[in-house]
Amino acid sequence: QKEVEQNSGPLSVPEGAIASLNCTYSDRVSQSFFWYRQYSGKSPELIMSIYSNGDKEDGRFTAQLNKASQYVSLLIRDSQPSDSATYLCAVGLVSGTYKYIFGTGTRLKVLA
Amino acid sequence: SAVISQKPSRDICQRGTSLTIQCQVDSQVTMMFWYRQQPGQSLTLIATANQGSEATYESGFVIDKFPISRPNLTFSTLTVSNLSPEDSSIYLCSGTGGSYEQYFGPGTRLTVT
Repeated sequence: QKEVEQNSGPLSVPEGAIASLNCTYSDRVSQSFFWYRQYSGKSPELIMSIYSNGDKEDGRFTAQLNKASQYVSLLIRDSQPSDSATYLCAVGLVSGTYKYIFGTGTRLKVLA
Repeated sequence: SAVISQKPSRDICQRGTSLTIQCQVDSQVTMMFWYRQQPGQSLTLIATANQGSEATYESGFVIDKFPISRPNLTFSTLTVSNLSPEDSSIYLCSGTGGSYEQYFGPGTRLTVT
């Protein structure tokens, strides 16, 4: 069974600190990797995509992918209270058709 | 990025009835999907909406309960049939372009009484 695993949290960090969110996946044929932010009562919002090993930076966000370890992470620098949300890791893969498997999400709390 | 709209945004339906949710994308997308999200839980894929043909359903979801149409590249509907309280959930549609980046609509909150 294809799985995407995340620590449910909550992960609490002080304002201005680096928040580190982790995700592991079970299927080696996974091809694309995404991080979504979801505020309570809202739909998921795409914040990062990564397709190859290494780091990808976008503003305060850095996604890291290690396909050998089947691991993807998201770093949020200079965390702000507005970053408090649930962060969903998603993996795209071909299983019959192309589809996405979502993790259960990590709840992040940034303390002012 | 694609802008996706859904309607209705919420509805309260009686047991045994059906609800049809519409999803409109502002630009052509390659793939469209329908998800369900129970309160406090992650997203569960219901099906892939295929243009002009039958949707591809995930295990545990069947066409009789969740008929889906996608008559063109930018529009899809999901019907939740024969409603029961267990169908109370948020239903989300999404669209994916050439980069496989997936964008979501605002969701439809369904309550079955």
